[in-house]
Amino acid sequence: GDSVTQMEGPVTLSEEAFLTINCTYTATGYPSLFWYVQYPGEGLQLLLKATKADDKGSNKGFEATYRKETTSFHLEKGSVQVSDSAVYFCALGGRDDKIIFGKGTRLHILP
Amino acid sequence: DADVTQTPRNRITKTGKRIMLECSQTKGHDRMYWYRQDPGLGLRLIYYSFDVKDINKGEISDGYSVSRQAQAKFSLSLESAIPNQTALYFCATSDPGQGSSSYNEQFFGPGTRLTVL
Repeated sequence: GDSVTQMEGPVTLSEEAFLTINCTYTATGYPSLFWYVQYPGEGLQLLLKATKADDKGSNKGFEATYRKETTSFHLEKGSVQVSDSAVYFCALGGRDDKIIFGKGTRLHILP
Repeated sequence: DADVTQTPRNRITKTGKRIMLECSQTKGHDRMYWYRQDPGLGLRLIYYSFDVKDINKGEISDGYSVSRQAQAKFSLSLESAIPNQTALYFCATSDPGQGSSSYNEQFFGPGTRLTVL
């Protein structure tokens, strides 16, 4: 069945460092891909998405490119801030109109 | 005001008790979902509803039931709570838009932290 695998955390970086959180997927067809973010004490919210191969989603300085050849959707940011500390979830739009989430990666940014 | 609200935000209960978690939304979306979040396991789908007359089981529905009282309300019940149902529970909504909701954003409530002793 469809699935999402993302790098385990926690990931700890210093402010202004470069961030990559890896995400790969297994799916039949061509699903939409998402990154959601969960700030402390809150629900998840959509960070960015891509609906077809080679699309790049971007928001708040974060980017991810839908790579069909490597079945990947890695999240990147060039210079992280303390306010980016959160849990990040990679997800795909699966069959039957459901979203399949990865297990989440906790990110800590040190000042 | 929040578009998706959940009540209560925190609940501590004892094994064997019946518990109801409520979700309301003002987004006008037809599709609603219940998830549970456990450390290291991510989000797992419990039940989902594509309209008032449509209820579907998710991957972990055993021990849970739901009620879709109206387009805006979707309740989750634990008929007889057990300790391994201790988790963070989220309600979410989506709008199918012009196609499959697989393409569309889900909007989450703030969550209910449930502890079963």
